[in-house]
Amino acid sequence: DGGITQSPKYLFRKEGQNVTLSCEQNLNHDAMYWYRQDPGQGLRLIYYSQIVNDFQKGDIAEGYSVSREKKESFPLTVTSAQKNPTAFYLCASSQTSGGFSEQFFGPGTRLTVL
Amino acid sequence: RKEVEQDPGPFNVPEGATVAFNCTYSNSASQSFFWYRQDCRKEPKLLMSVYSSGNEDGRFTAQLNRASQYISLLIRDSKLSDSATYLCVAGGGGTSYGKLTFGQGTILTVHP
Repeated sequence: DGGITQSPKYLFRKEGQNVTLSCEQNLNHDAMYWYRQDPGQGLRLIYYSQIVNDFQKGDIAEGYSVSREKKESFPLTVTSAQKNPTAFYLCASSQTSGGFSEQFFGPGTRLTVL
Repeated sequence: RKEVEQDPGPFNVPEGATVAFNCTYSNSASQSFFWYRQDCRKEPKLLMSVYSSGNEDGRFTAQLNRASQYISLLIRDSKLSDSATYLCVAGGGGTSYGKLTFGQGTILTVHP
């Protein structure tokens, strides 16, 4: 069964803690993306990676970090420097890099900072 | 100015109605265009790609006007199950190389 998985589905964190969100895909897609969505808002791009061992900042990268050591994995760390981390986090992948092909999304992780 | 702009709605229409959504994009170098559908508290799902020649998929028709930098989505014979948020997407060219930009979404509610 091909697809994108994200874990956990719900995550609670205390202020000042770093937390890592998992994203795995078995679609053999080259590119992967992380977005943040706040209630009633659109998707905002955090980081993206077009190839293994390379990634670029999106529009709201401050307070976040990523790695792309394997083609199928693109974990996102929300650091304590992120001032307002409570949000719905979505991971996506696309077959080719360049932004020319459609993206497919995982089910998302809802992060709540207590 | 936002890179991709949509009328947020909400659009409230009866079953069977025809409804049209419009979207404009600011990056003239954009190469790829899509419509996504997002249900409440779920991930976005691809509805259809948008081509210059226009394309149709059942009750859904998408159009692209590159000269006006304008994308549209037409839904005919609306169903209750069409209720969702519709996201307009552009990207892949110029400063958008490597990424897609999503509009803020248009909310559609279809009522009996």
